Amino acid sequence: DTGVSQNPRHKITKRGQNVTFRCDPISEHNRLYWYRQTLGQGPEFLTYFQNEAQLEKSRLLSDRFSAERPKGSFSTLEIQRTEQGDSAMYLCASSVPAGELFFGEGSRLTVL
Amino acid sequence: GQNIDQPTEMTATEGAIVQINCTYQTSGFNGLFWYQQHAGEAPTFLSYNVLDGLEEKGRFSSFLSRSKGYSYLLLKELQMKDSASYLCAVQGDSWGKLQFGAGTQVVVTP
Repeated sequence: DTGVSQNPRHKITKRGQNVTFRCDPISEHNRLYWYRQTLGQGPEFLTYFQNEAQLEKSRLLSDRFSAERPKGSFSTLEIQRTEQGDSAMYLCASSVPAGELFFGEGSRLTVL
Repeated sequence: GQNIDQPTEMTATEGAIVQINCTYQTSGFNGLFWYQQHAGEAPTFLSYNVLDGLEEKGRFSSFLSRSKGYSYLLLKELQMKDSASYLCAVQGDSWGKLQFGAGTQVVVTP
């Protein structure tokens, strides 16, 4: 499969715990994006990378959220001290510059 | 403020045509995307319009009027597999930073 891969697909955690999601983009794509989607809503932009550089972060991304793309390939999104409001689907996408975004199937987070 | 509006749900019968409208008010505009999303799956790219007019791609067509802040997605010869959410998204100043509408759930009935 040469699409965007995300894992884990589902994560259930207790409030206050830390969670980390991984995204493997399409190999020739140098841009990588994180979005968050809640039920009945469209995806909301969180942040994006060009190669290893994080170029923009949304104001939605509080200090508890951190994203990295250390070698310009895979990316991780960590949420510290999770809250119930963090429950959502976290979507990763990748693209070439000025190309359409290809989305992964997402990592669903449930915070109890 | 920034706003993207599309109807919440539309129902149509197999073989029919459905038009999903999207209106937008955004601070930056570098094109408009339509994505299809089946329940529990990734959004998949359908179309991109940056100039005014109609883009046709098989059974799907998309139209843009920048002066009116308006787009529509036309689905022809509806099939059961077209039952999905259709997301309108505006491309802002940073490529890939899309602002999405809430999606239109299309239900195709036999």
